[in-house]
Amino acid sequence: QVQLQQWGAGLLKPSETLSLTCSFYGESFSNYYWSWIRQPPGKGLEWIAEISHSGGTNYNPSLKSRVTISLDTSKNQFSLRLSSVTAADTAVYYCARGPWFGESLKLDPWGQGTLVTVSS
Amino acid sequence: QSALTQPASVSGSPGQSITISCTGTTSDVGGYNYVSWYQQHPGKAPKLIIYDVSYRPSGVSNRFSGSKSGNTASLTISGLQAEDEADYYCNSYTSSSTPYVFGTGTKVTVL
Repeated sequence: QVQLQQWGAGLLKPSETLSLTCSFYGESFSNYYWSWIRQPPGKGLEWIAEISHSGGTNYNPSLKSRVTISLDTSKNQFSLRLSSVTAADTAVYYCARGPWFGESLKLDPWGQGTLVTVSS
Repeated sequence: QSALTQPASVSGSPGQSITISCTGTTSDVGGYNYVSWYQQHPGKAPKLIIYDVSYRPSGVSNRFSGSKSGNTASLTISGLQAEDEADYYCNSYTSSSTPYVFGTGTKVTVL
């Protein structure tokens, strides 16, 4: 069964760097896109970044200056780094496979989510 | 890029059908057949239920269906069940600087 398992630090101080990793199990890691999405407490979903199987990246312009997404195909993992965090970055962060599946657009499956709290 | 507009809440009785709208512009919903829908139960990760406007992934109940007219996409849940009580989000590809945008989310309540 295809699944994503994610992990990373859950409590950060302002100005620190958020670092999350997502591991993919159950299928070949190749030929997919991989994404990060976040959800502030009680709010909606926000797309953060994507990376293609060849390493091409795309970022949400509102976060682009602080975000890096990377891929480690040897470990079937991809990662997110968000620098200079503030309280506004407090959210549940999700990894997901996608959004591009050939000519289709979908995010499936999703990781279990990691609550990241930024507080002094 | 502004979020796509969804009603904050929709409710229905068991067995009824409900429809959730997702309104955008010609730059997103109206311009592409790349609308997907996600179901999110409290404390859980979102789950894909519809992609490319009207396609249902394997394993998703056929009580869920999607459509689009102009700049508005819709998700219909027929034969409403208690387990359908959740938040629902639409998502679309956009031609703006942010390539993907989510809807504001709709809370479905089963009366």
